[in-house]
Amino acid sequence: ELKVEQNPLFLSMQEGKNYTIYCNYSTTSDRLYWYRQDPGKSLESLFVLLSNGAVKQEGRLMASLDTKARLSTLHITAAVHDLSATYFCAVVVDWGSQGNLIFGKGTKLSVKP
Amino acid sequence: DAGITQSPRHKVTETGTPVTLRCHQTENHRYMYWYRQDPGHGLRLIHYSYGVKDTDKGEVSDGYSVSRSKTEDFLLTLESATSSQTSVYFCAISARDNYGYTFGSGTRLTVV
Repeated sequence: ELKVEQNPLFLSMQEGKNYTIYCNYSTTSDRLYWYRQDPGKSLESLFVLLSNGAVKQEGRLMASLDTKARLSTLHITAAVHDLSATYFCAVVVDWGSQGNLIFGKGTKLSVKP
Repeated sequence: DAGITQSPRHKVTETGTPVTLRCHQTENHRYMYWYRQDPGHGLRLIHYSYGVKDTDKGEVSDGYSVSRSKTEDFLLTLESATSSQTSVYFCAISARDNYGYTFGSGTRLTVV
């Protein structure tokens, strides 16, 4: 059974600081997704990582994937208040048939001025 | 998101009553999914569909049934609602050829 663990689950940061969110998963998968969710809203796709060593960047967010270590990171550079949200990683189970996403529990990020 | 709508957006129902949530897509995607979101649990898969009349169970399927009679509609039914089914329900669609998943806006269901 695939398990996805994120840490930390809660993160309070000051504006301008850097931090990293970690996502570990328990079995082989080469498709990993990062989503952002604002309170009361749906999930917004941030990154799709499809291969070992993949790195993607958008603004102050950078995501990477190490399939051998079964680890993805979401790095936040010089945080701003607008980045306050909950971030989820998700891994695909059985892409060849079901294609179900298994989610981590999410990291609630709060960026304070 | 454009191309996928959920209805209703909010619903309050009484314990023991049946409830049906609807997910409608205009993208003609083959795969559709129902998730529930609860604090501390992230999103968990309830049921999914891989085509018209083709459905299967997910991680937390007890107490739920689904139907898909048309490509565009995927219905989730709570046969007899219980308070433990109070949750936010998200539908997702997948275009497997571009690796993407699109989520609906969610339905907030309260069972009293």
